[in-house]
Amino acid sequence: DVKVTQSSRYLVKRTGEKVFLECVQDMDHENMFWYRQDPGLGLRLIYFSYDVKMKEKGDIPEGYSVSREKKERFSLILESASTNQTSMYLCASRGQGVVEKLFFGSGTQLSVL
Amino acid sequence: AQKITQTQPGMFVQEKEAVTLDCTYDTSDQSYGLFWYKQPSSGEMIFLIYQGSYDEQNATEGRYSLNFQKARKSANLVISASQLGDSAMYFCAMRSQNYGGSQGNLIFGKGTKLSVKP
Repeated sequence: DVKVTQSSRYLVKRTGEKVFLECVQDMDHENMFWYRQDPGLGLRLIYFSYDVKMKEKGDIPEGYSVSREKKERFSLILESASTNQTSMYLCASRGQGVVEKLFFGSGTQLSVL
Repeated sequence: AQKITQTQPGMFVQEKEAVTLDCTYDTSDQSYGLFWYKQPSSGEMIFLIYQGSYDEQNATEGRYSLNFQKARKSANLVISASQLGDSAMYFCAMRSQNYGGSQGNLIFGKGTKLSVKP
């Protein structure tokens, strides 16, 4: 069974802390994505990666960076967490086919105090 | 720019009745794909159904069907015989199949919260 695993379901951090959100997929997918979900705004793309060490900015990359050192792992980094980064973060992966759907992790609810 | 619009923030439906969730999209691409996802309170996004822009038949998956009207740029989700377990957020999404630099990113609507009443 396909699986995208996010390391934490709930996370509480303080303003200014460096935060790492980890995502691992076991499907050998080339493409991985980080979305942010806020009520009334839907899902917005932060960053995505189409290969190891390759990354591209999404719609809202400010305040975030990413790392993809291995194919199965895609990390989202908040360099200095701020209260406006309190949100649900969803990781997803996808294969290379044209009609390939996204597989999502169960999400990390991050609260920055 | 590509855009997905879901105009119904919330909807109620009686158990066992059918319900239609609206989705309109805007794109200048000739080739694209449309998706519907369900998000229960647990938070996980569950894929429901896919429609390609060149597919002549409306997609169906069990109790889910997609009412695709290309000229109107609409891709409404129809759930037949609603069940209590259908209560969830539903998201419409679109991917351009002209990959370019976006590598096939999905653009999501803001979602519709469906509540099924017993």
